Amino acid sequence: KNQVEQSPQSLIILEGKNCTLQCNYTVSPFSNLRWYKQDTGRGPVSLTIMTFSENTKSNGRYTATLDADTKQSSLHITASQLSDSASYICVVSARFSGGYNKLIFGAGTRLAVHP
Amino acid sequence: GAVVSQHPSRVICKSGTSVKIECRSLDFQATTMFWYRQFPKQSLMLMATSNEGSKATYEQGVEKDKFLINHASLTLSTLTVTSAHPEDSSFYICSAKGYRGRGLAGDSSYNEQFFGPGTRLTVL
Repeated sequence: KNQVEQSPQSLIILEGKNCTLQCNYTVSPFSNLRWYKQDTGRGPVSLTIMTFSENTKSNGRYTATLDADTKQSSLHITASQLSDSASYICVVSARFSGGYNKLIFGAGTRLAVHP
Repeated sequence: GAVVSQHPSRVICKSGTSVKIECRSLDFQATTMFWYRQFPKQSLMLMATSNEGSKATYEQGVEKDKFLINHASLTLSTLTVTSAHPEDSSFYICSAKGYRGRGLAGDSSYNEQFFGPGTRLTVL
């Protein structure tokens, strides 16, 4: 069964601190893995997208890693800011025959950054 | 990236009425649009996929007669919640993928979808 599991479910950190969010997946056939940031009451915004051949990708203070062998990904946020408070969603794209893609969503990690 | 808009951003309606939500691709031609529903503290659940000019494909458990989807042009898809009830109250998000000029909108390596800002529906 195609699944994406994220941990922790929620996290509170102090402004300026770093944190790492985890994503484990069992999705086949794997196409790519995405991390999205979703502010409350808003749609998801893409942070990073990686294929199986990409081990790490950065976007400003966000760095995502991917281990296709262990089917694990992480999102590291450095020097957190109050505006980083949001849900972070790990999404794995499965690519089926005929070019059909399906996104499998994790439940998200709710991050709260406190001053 | 590419820009997707939704209208309205929030709507409150009485039980039994119908509500239409619009999803537009602003700077690319959306050949495929997706409609998602998100309940509080849960992740997005795909409701249906629509290709321009074709009937939408609904996910298992989603009533096609209740959630009418129209994708009549390459820049507009609509979701109509018919005879809405309080249990239909949710956050509805569309996403789209397609072409800008002769190339794909977004990175072709990743088959990107671009999400709209969402519509908060409250049925009283």
